[in-house]
Amino acid sequence: AQKVTQAQTEISVVEKEDVTLDCVYETRDTTYYLFWYKQPPSGELVFLIRRNSFDEQNEISGRYSWNFQKSTSSFNFTITASQVVDSAVYFCALSEALQGGGGYQKVTFGTGTKLQVIP
Amino acid sequence: NAGVTQTPKFQVLKTGQSMTLQCAQDMNHNSMYWYRQDPGMGLRLIYYSASEGTTDKGEVPNGYNVSRLNKREFSLRLESAAPSQTSVYFCATLPRQKLFFGSGTQLSVL
Repeated sequence: AQKVTQAQTEISVVEKEDVTLDCVYETRDTTYYLFWYKQPPSGELVFLIRRNSFDEQNEISGRYSWNFQKSTSSFNFTITASQVVDSAVYFCALSEALQGGGGYQKVTFGTGTKLQVIP
Repeated sequence: NAGVTQTPKFQVLKTGQSMTLQCAQDMNHNSMYWYRQDPGMGLRLIYYSASEGTTDKGEVPNGYNVSRLNKREFSLRLESAAPSQTSVYFCATLPRQKLFFGSGTQLSVL
């Protein structure tokens, strides 16, 4: 069974502070994908990043960075110099393939972390 | 524009009423999904369809039925709505290892 844990329910930071959102996952598969999605107050789900289980390189995209560590089953997300527009709920997700493939992948989401950036 | 289209965006039902949520994708992808989102519980999978003509239960299927009408369309039906089904519903598809979501349906059952 796969599981994603986002232990931080809500985080508040002051604008320009750095903030890290934690994500810990459980899976028996050796091949899997990890995702982060952003859900702003408007409600849509916005894709941020996908990471393949074979690729442990950290990634940076502007003010966003992701730290993938298989040894601790974590895929943490850091926002540098936070801005008010970063206020949203952030979801971490894990995708496994069905045994034998078949094109379907079960995607399991964490419960989300609500980030509030205070001006 | 390519994407996932859901209708309606908002719906209010009375207990016992039925309705169908519609979803269509133009990404030509096989798998489609229905999730519900509730406060503090993240997104939970209701049903999924690996390909046209096949559907399977997800984590929380009770009270719902689905139809994969063709490759583009995947509908979710509530036969007899209950207050516990008040939620936000998202349809999604997964081309190129990236879930694309519809804009969601906010459903209230009174």
